[in-house]
Amino acid sequence: DAKTTQPNSMESNEEEPVHLPCNHSTISGTDYIHWYRQLPSQGPEYVIHGLTSNVNNRMASLAIAEDRKSSTLILHRATLRDAAVYYCILRAFATNTGNQFYFGTGTSLTVIP
Amino acid sequence: DSGVTQTPKHLITATGQRVTLRCSPRSGDLSVYWYQQSLDQGLQFLIQYYNGEERAKGNILERFSAQQFPDLHSELNLSSLELGDSALYFCASSVDGTATSMYGYTFGSGTRLTVV
Repeated sequence: DAKTTQPNSMESNEEEPVHLPCNHSTISGTDYIHWYRQLPSQGPEYVIHGLTSNVNNRMASLAIAEDRKSSTLILHRATLRDAAVYYCILRAFATNTGNQFYFGTGTSLTVIP
Repeated sequence: DSGVTQTPKHLITATGQRVTLRCSPRSGDLSVYWYQQSLDQGLQFLIQYYNGEERAKGNILERFSAQQFPDLHSELNLSSLELGDSALYFCASSVDGTATSMYGYTFGSGTRLTVV
């Protein structure tokens, strides 16, 4: 799977929007962009995913650059419960190979009250 | 509750011993994945099973083995334990393990293994 690059850490004030960037310059045409987050002492949880178009769900929005070499996870109003490590992962559209996700080091988000 | 059940939640054992970690996937999910998370290594993929068969291997040591049973639950066996095996072990499940890889994972809450 192609590699992603994320900042090690970011801070945000509570109730302000947060933009978490991810670079994936070696992305291929069929790679899906997935975001997971890991709250303290919990397993990772799915946040959002997309292929080409921007995506919205109840948790967040995903903005994908036109060339798909970068994406941004947007939390519209950060809460203290959003403090977590956020992982940006690429997934190839595989047919016969395993479907495993490879997690990088992610971005540790601190939300300041 | 994510629907993925891992037992036990905590395990303390001595070096050289063998332990078994258990995972029950979310209802309807056929694929199970095991991950190891230690402080200095992050989340490392170990192994994947799909409908009872091994599908992919990651950074899994030869001292470790896994299997998926007909009822789809999975066990991760860790033997000849060393201090460095102390970590959080996560199980995840997904609907499938092949073509439609846009589907995500559901993770369990993990088993914390401490080797003393």
